[in-house]
Amino acid sequence: DQQVKQNSPSLSVQEGRISILNCDYTNSMFDYFLWYKKYPAEGPTFLISISSIKDKNEDGRFTVFLNKSAKHLSLHIVPSQPGDSAVYFCAASGDSGNEKLTFGTGTRLTIIP
Amino acid sequence: EAEVAQSPRYKITEKSQAVAFWCDPISGHATLYWYRQILGQGPELLVQFQDESVVDDSQLPKDRFSAERLKGVDSTLKIQPAELGDSAMYLCASSPAGTISGNTIYFGEGSWLTVV
Repeated sequence: DQQVKQNSPSLSVQEGRISILNCDYTNSMFDYFLWYKKYPAEGPTFLISISSIKDKNEDGRFTVFLNKSAKHLSLHIVPSQPGDSAVYFCAASGDSGNEKLTFGTGTRLTIIP
Repeated sequence: EAEVAQSPRYKITEKSQAVAFWCDPISGHATLYWYRQILGQGPELLVQFQDESVVDDSQLPKDRFSAERLKGVDSTLKIQPAELGDSAMYLCASSPAGTISGNTIYFGEGSWLTVV
């Protein structure tokens, strides 16, 4: 039972353009959502998060949008840079009261120079 | 910058052998997590500690996996006997006590396990 879903395993975007990564969730108890970035052979690093009381959070080139009614969130990266090439994981928490993160399966983003 | 330390980084073991992974969280972090990431999937929580106590081990295969954090600082994850399906990256993470969520959870670089 995959509670957090990233339906696109991979995405290629031209350098300088916008990258949009999508994530859907099924558990209505989730109230906090995060994006992590992961390079090969390294652990995930926190990128940006959003609370369920908001619908948008922005940090530099990264913006996360949350649509609670659709149980959907997206990460926008603009402009995309070669160093953004990595696997991006969507994660959610809040349904168990112990900060447990439930991760999606990841989307591999490749930025084409 | 403080980091979560893990060892070994890479381990190859034969099926039915025992294997252990060690994690040293960021100093002062009360919460410690072990996640498993199988290739092509997202990390899955195996066990969560609050100090020396287990908070959540619902996804830990207890017939072969064990985890301990005896003094509430570093932690060991053991697999005995290892099976081919255990091949994965084992990630340790830590966070301060009272973390609301997410952005103060720090991951180590992971330990790659290959079972042959």
